[in-house]
Order: sequence, then structure tokens, then C-alpha cells
Amino acid sequence: AQKVTQAQTEISVVEKEDVTLDCVYETRDTTYYLFWYKQPPSGELVFLIRRNSFDEQNEISGRYSWNFQKSTSSFNFTITASQVVDSAVYFCALRDNAGNMLTFGGGTRLMVKP
Amino acid sequence: DSGVTQTPKHLITATGQRVTLRCSPRSGDLSVYWYQQSLDQGLQFLIQYYNGEERAKGNILERFSAQQFPDLHSELNLSSLELGDSALYFCASSVVDRSSYNEQFFGPGTRLTVL
Repeated sequence: AQKVTQAQTEISVVEKEDVTLDCVYETRDTTYYLFWYKQPPSGELVFLIRRNSFDEQNEISGRYSWNFQKSTSSFNFTITASQVVDSAVYFCALRDNAGNMLTFGGGTRLMVKP
Repeated sequence: DSGVTQTPKHLITATGQRVTLRCSPRSGDLSVYWYQQSLDQGLQFLIQYYNGEERAKGNILERFSAQQFPDLHSELNLSSLELGDSALYFCASSVVDRSSYNEQFFGPGTRLTVL
């Protein structure tokens, strides 16, 4: 069975601080896919990034960066110089190669204070 | 805007009633997924349809059913509603049934409140 754990339920930072959201996953498959989604206060789920199990290259997109480490089954997300608009709930999700459903972590609520 | 539309945005109903939630996928997407987000269960996969056929089932109650029509829109039917069915219901769509990534794009959700 697959499992995604986001141990941090809530993080509060002051604007311009860097913050890292942790994601640890469990799967028996050798091929799998990882995703991050953002859920702002308005409620929709916004796709942020995808990564497959064979691509451990880290990625940077503006103030966002992702660190995928297969050895520790982690796919962490860092926001550099956080802004108030980054306040949201962030979900990490896993999809195995056989299925199509996403298994979500419990989410991390990020509050960025001015 | 993901391109996935869901109606209605909000729904308030009473216990024992039946409701239908509607989803239109992104243009070109053949797969539709339904998820439930509740405070106690988090985000859970309910069911997937691909080109009109049921493909995968998750923790979907027997009181719930879904279908995907020839024009690819999907409906989720919830019957004999209970207080615990109050949740945010998301529809998502993806391009193909199985691809290397198959990232799912989510609609804005329907917030169901059962009183």
C-alpha cells in the first residue's frame, strides 16, 4: 500500500523567511510519480510540480525548489523568501505506475505573516 | 484556471436527500477522477472514469455512484446523505489513462453541506 506523510501540519513564518515543507512517501513500486499541489484559501487545488522515480534531479522554479531523495523516500519543497501570497495548504501526492489514483499526504498549512 | 469546471459551487441539503455533482474535464482529457476532502479523512480518491468506462475505485461508499457520459462530462451522485458526507468534492481530469506522468488538474470543487 502507498502512503504519504507530511509530518508538519502547520508552519508559520514571517515574510522573506525561507521555509521547507517535508514529504515522506512509502511505496513498493520501483516506478512511481510524485506531485505537489497548492490549495490557497479559495479552495482550489493547483498543480505545482511532478517528478518520476527515475529523475532525482532537483528543480528550481523561481522562489520554489524541490529536493527529491530516493534514498530517504523524501520529496521536500522549499520556498525561498516567502511572501504572504504563499499562504496556503500544500499537499504532496504519490501515484504508482499501475494505478491512476493519487494518494495524498495530510497537507501542511503554511502561514506567512507580513 | 485549470480548465476543469464543476457545478454547483456550493450545495446545502438535508440528511436523507440525494444530490448530483457535475464535472466537465479539460478539453482533450479522457480521464475523470473524483476526490473527497473532509476534515477527518483528508483528500481521498473516490473513483475514476476513462472514456466512459469505470477504471478504478477507491473509498467510495455504496450510496455514491458516478458515471461519465459520451461528451466526457461526469456526474457524481450522492444519495441517502448523512451529516458525515459534508465535504469538498473535487473532480480532476488528465489526458490519458496511463502516461508517464498523468498529472491531474483539479476543478474548483463543490462544497456540500448536509444539515
